Formats: sequence, C-alpha cells, structure tokens
Amino acid sequence: DTAVSQTPKYLVTQMGNDKSIKCEQNLGHDTMYWYKQDSKKFLKIMFSYNNKELIINETVPNRFSPKSPDKAHLNLHINSLELGDSAVYFCASSQVGAEQFFGPGTRLTVL
Amino acid sequence: GDSVTQMEGPVTLSEEAFLTINCTYTATGYPSLFWYVQYPGEGLQLLLKATKADDKGSNKGFEATYRKETTSFHLEKGSVQVSDSAVYFCYSGAGSYQLTFGKGTKLSVIP
Repeated sequence: DTAVSQTPKYLVTQMGNDKSIKCEQNLGHDTMYWYKQDSKKFLKIMFSYNNKELIINETVPNRFSPKSPDKAHLNLHINSLELGDSAVYFCASSQVGAEQFFGPGTRLTVL
Repeated sequence: GDSVTQMEGPVTLSEEAFLTINCTYTATGYPSLFWYVQYPGEGLQLLLKATKADDKGSNKGFEATYRKETTSFHLEKGSVQVSDSAVYFCYSGAGSYQLTFGKGTKLSVIP
C-alpha cells in the first residue's frame, strides 16, 4: 500500500508544452510539499500546503502552479516548459514538524 | 533564518571503513533533526531522527546524536557496506512550516 504516490514516474516533453504531475497521500497528513532535485542532488522546496492552504511558496517561476483539491492531493502544473525545468520532482507529506514521507519522484525531461 | 550545513561530498570509502558525515544547524528554537537517505533511483526515506538535545537516533547501524552545545547532528557508522552507497541528507524541522535540507552527501562504498 503506497503511502505517497506520484504520477507519472517519467515525463518527456518538448519545450513550451504544459504538463501536470499528480501526487496523492493516504497517510492522513495535513501538510504536503513539492521539491525539485537537480542533477547535483540538491533538494529545493518549492511549495507547501497545509489543509489545502498554501503555506510555503519559495521563489519559483509563476509558470509553476500547485493545486490542492483536498488534503490528500497536491498536484503541480507547469506551463511553458523550459530546458531548465528538467529535474526530478518529489512530492512529500507530513504532520507539521514531523517526519516527511516522500513519493518515488517524477523525472521530467524537457527537450 | 534557520539553516543546515552539511559536509559536501562525494565521499568514497572502502567496505568496513568508519563513516562520519558532518551536519550543523542554526535555529532560533529547538528543531527536530533528521537524517534521510536516498538510494539510487528512489525517493528519500527517513534513516533516523532525534527530537531533543542529547537524543541519539539510530537505525541500520547508523547513529547521530543531537548536540545542542555544538549545534550538530553528525551521522556515523562504524563499518559501512556496499549497500550503504546512497545520498544522505540532513534535515532540520522547526516544528512549524520551516524546513531545511542540507545539500546532500553522496557516499560510495567500494568492495
């Protein structure tokens, strides 16, 4: 039984396209996150939602828009994809201040 | 603001060698501290944690002690195995919505 799931696992697309990554958690956590991991493995927080409300919104281009239809889901929509968006994107969830549970990641490749 | 400084890699060790990965934190309060591990091609998973000063977290032969006086949470293992090859992240959770990951340390263990 997967705790945090992401789809798709791999995403290959052309520059300029719009794409979405979905995330779901079945742990009953209040808080969900999106991270971007670059080729050097540096992990950067992008967004955090608590009970469907945006809590953390780091400096990311406004082409990235998170959407949380309910507490168990946090999707990431990306408009006008650029080469520099190529990375692995991780979703995570937790209770506040506690351990985070990560999804398996979505490897995005922009050609 | 809160931050985590983690020893940068890569680190290459022979099997059965002693491992130390340094991590220091700055925080206005007393955050819980965590070590996460990321095996190749996978998401991050919790390795160990400590929630207050002098606590020792341990798992899979790894240990780390929360030291308030030196603001450190160094990861140690007495005898590494090839299967320990991974990227290790130190993480400070301030009990609110602040959260800070170290830059990650890639460990390679050779037979």
